[in-house]
Formats: sequence, structure tokens, C-alpha cells
Amino acid sequence: GAVVSQHPSRVICKSGTSVKIECRSLDFQATTMFWYRQFPKQSLMLMATSNEGSKATYEQGVEKDKFLINHASLTLSTLTVTSAHPEDSSFYICSARDPQALSGNTIYFGEGSWLTVV
Amino acid sequence: GENVEQHPSTLSVQEGDSAVIKCTYSDSASNYFPWYKQELGKGPQLIIDIRSNVGEKKDQRIAVTLNKTAKHFSLHITETQPEDSAVYFCAASGNAGKSTFGDGTTLTVKP
Repeated sequence: GAVVSQHPSRVICKSGTSVKIECRSLDFQATTMFWYRQFPKQSLMLMATSNEGSKATYEQGVEKDKFLINHASLTLSTLTVTSAHPEDSSFYICSARDPQALSGNTIYFGEGSWLTVV
Repeated sequence: GENVEQHPSTLSVQEGDSAVIKCTYSDSASNYFPWYKQELGKGPQLIIDIRSNVGEKKDQRIAVTLNKTAKHFSLHITETQPEDSAVYFCAASGNAGKSTFGDGTTLTVKP
């Protein structure tokens, strides 16, 4: 079935630095990808919708200048956490919508990326 | 926007018993209702989904039912096994693909 790959799976960075997380759809073209954040023992909260070839749409309360999203191709979206701080430490998960799936807007998730800011 | 409520938050069953998790949603425009299983340290895995034009769907030991009028849908797991232990999330989404998740249910299957 459809696979979404996310990289890196774990990353540790120093406070004040930036870190990039990649989300790739491996066997389908995704015009839309989604980025979620999940704190321990909590649900997934949508951060932004990544649209290929256009600007991302951010959810209320999410700083677009801090969480930069680039969807440069139909198979790749990147999330860059800029000037990271310890409170940005979290599990970041992407998902991609497969518009060609028999089920229409079936959504697949990546494996997630653990970010720890020290 | 959409609001999804999920119950119960924790569920413990004996191996071989059935488990039922229920979700309600608020936006009548939602038409796609997936269920995800998330194991510790991993991303959510789609286990079954249902669309608003279908009332029930089954895949081996897993089934999902949808009552569009009442805006609720349920996950049923029969003959539970210890490896079914995980956190389960329901979600609701519309044509844009944006998903709203329930708060999750931690299922523990005791051997």
C-alpha cells in the first residue's frame, strides 16, 4: 500500500539552532500534506496544511515564521523548526493524502520524528 | 470547525474478549472516518476506515460502524490479542483531507 516516509526519526539539537524534518510520499503524488504535533500521551494536533507549489496554511496559534513548511514537489514536504527551544521538543508527524486511492481521500501517516531540543 | 470526542480514554479487556471504542463528530460535512493504531514511539497506522455512504465495514477481527444521522462511529475488535494493545485514535475529515482526531483510547489486552 501507500507509504509515507519521514526523516529523521529522531533528532537532538541545541537550543537556538534550526532543524529540518522531511516527509516523502513514496509511491503516490501528494498535492497536500499535513503536519501534526503530538505531545506525550496526547492526541495529534494539526499544525499546518502543506500545499504543493503554494504557501502552507497554518492553524491558529502556530507561528509560521517558526515552523517553516516547504512543499517543493509532489512527493516531498519539509518542516523546519527555526531557533528551536526546549518547549519545541515534541513528536512531529506528517501525513499525505492519496487522491488516487480507491477510497478517495485516504490519508497515510509517516513514522514520526522525535525532536529533542537541549 | 470539527470536534471529535472519543470514549473511553482507557480500556482493559481480557484476551479473547471484544473491545469497542466510540467516537462522535460535529461537522455534518465530514465524510471520511479512519481509525489509527499507534504503538509507543511510532506514528499512527491506518487500520480501517469508513466513508459516509457506508454503514459498516469489516476486515477480519476489526469492524467499524457509522451512524451518519447521529454523527457517531465505532471501532469493534473481536477476539482481542495482546498485540492489539496500543493507543487507538479515531478521526474525521472532509474532502480537503484535514483530519480532526479524538483524544485516543489506550487499549490493554491482558493475556
